Amino acid sequence: GQQLNQSPQSMFIQEGEDVSMNCTSSSIFNTWLWYKQDPGEGPVLLIALYKAGELTSNGRLTAQFGITRKDSFLNISASIPSDVGIYFCSGGSNYKLTFGKGTLLTVNP
Amino acid sequence: NAGVTQTPKFRILKIGQSMTLQCTQDMNHNYMYWYRQDPGMGLKLIYYSVGAGITDKGEVPNGYNVSRSTTEDFPLRLELAAPSQTSVYFCASNRISTDTQYFGPGTRLTVL
Repeated sequence: GQQLNQSPQSMFIQEGEDVSMNCTSSSIFNTWLWYKQDPGEGPVLLIALYKAGELTSNGRLTAQFGITRKDSFLNISASIPSDVGIYFCSGGSNYKLTFGKGTLLTVNP
Repeated sequence: NAGVTQTPKFRILKIGQSMTLQCTQDMNHNYMYWYRQDPGMGLKLIYYSVGAGITDKGEVPNGYNVSRSTTEDFPLRLELAAPSQTSVYFCASNRISTDTQYFGPGTRLTVL
C-alpha cells in the first residue's frame, strides 16, 4: 500500500525556536493534511492543502503542498510550550487518507 | 455540534470476548472511518463507509466487522478479542467532495 515517510521522528527544541517537518511519498495525493495529537486525544486538524504548490498559514503554522504532489512540509514559528505533541502528515486521495508515523515535538521552556 | 463522539473511552477485554465500539457524528457527513493506532505506527484504516448501508474494508480489517444503518452511526464490532487487537481506536468522518477528516477522541482497548 501507499506509505508516507515523515521526518524527523522526534524533535527537542527550546521555546521560541522555529520547527520544520516534512513528508514524502512515492504516490501522488490530491490533498495534504497536517494533524496534531495531544496525549489521550484524537488527532486535530491544523492545516488542509488542496492544490499543488499551495502555501497556507494558520497563525504560527505554515504548510505547503509540494509541486509534484508527493510531498508537504509544516513549519512552526516561535514555538511555545503548548506546541508539544505528535504531528501527523496525511495524504488524501479518493476519500481515503494515508498517514505518516508522526513527529514527536518537545518544547523546553 | 458535538462533532465525532466515541464510547467507551476505555475498555479491558478478556481473550475471546466480544464488544462494540460506538461512533456517532452530528455533522451529516456521508463518509465515516475506523482506524487503529499502535505506538509509533501512525493510523491504519480498518473499515470505512461512504453512506448508510455501504461499507468496505481498509488496510487491516481482519477480526473486525462494521455496519452503517444510519448516516450518524458507524459501530465497530470485535467478535473474538485477541491480544493483537490491543490498540487505540479512532473514528473519523468527512463530507462529500473533501478528504478532510475529523476525528473522535478515541477508545483505548486492552485485551488480556
